[in-house]
Amino acid sequence: DGGITQSPKYLFRKEGQNVTLSCEQNLNHDAMYWYRQDPGQGLRLIYYSQIVNDFQKGDIAEGYSVSREKKESFPLTVTSAQKNPTAFYLCASSITGGTHEQYFGPGTRLTVT
Amino acid sequence: AQSVTQLGSHVSVSEGALVLLRCNYSSSVPPYLFWYVQYPNQGLQLLLKYTSAATLVKGINGFEAEFKKSETSFHLTKPSAHMSDAAEYFCAVSELKAGTALIFGKGTTLSVSS
Repeated sequence: DGGITQSPKYLFRKEGQNVTLSCEQNLNHDAMYWYRQDPGQGLRLIYYSQIVNDFQKGDIAEGYSVSREKKESFPLTVTSAQKNPTAFYLCASSITGGTHEQYFGPGTRLTVT
Repeated sequence: AQSVTQLGSHVSVSEGALVLLRCNYSSSVPPYLFWYVQYPNQGLQLLLKYTSAATLVKGINGFEAEFKKSETSFHLTKPSAHMSDAAEYFCAVSELKAGTALIFGKGTTLSVSS
């Protein structure tokens, strides 16, 4: 079955540690995205990538980093510089033509204490 | 830049009642518009999309939405609510360039009581 996988579902880290969230897709989509979701704030864009080895900052990129070495994979690193990292993180993908709809993974809930 | 406004962060209806979730967008040209649903601790699932074809769009689970350019609105409706419709709903608009991110509203939580 085609889709997007995110792992792990729940992640716990101590303050000051970097942590990497995994996102893999087998939909053959060129574009991939990372969103952060906080209660009452909707989804906010962290980073997106339209093609391998290229990515752009979104609205809230500070304290995060990404890589896009393979078409299928778009990992997100939450660094110790992110002041409030506890949130629900959603990965999505889309084709670069068509009707712009995005397909979402199940999300990773990160808790930093 | 485009924006999306969802009126009402929380909507409560009785089972069997009409569901109406409001969404207004800001755009000088008709964009692509989407409604997504999210159940607790899950990702977003596409309910329906407007892509400049028919203005009345039918989606999954009995939901539909009507694009009204004059009102810059894309409200989501369902004639009869079911308990399983309780979830959070997000309206989103697409930038004109493909491959860029969707812009989401802040979401509306729908509660359904028996």
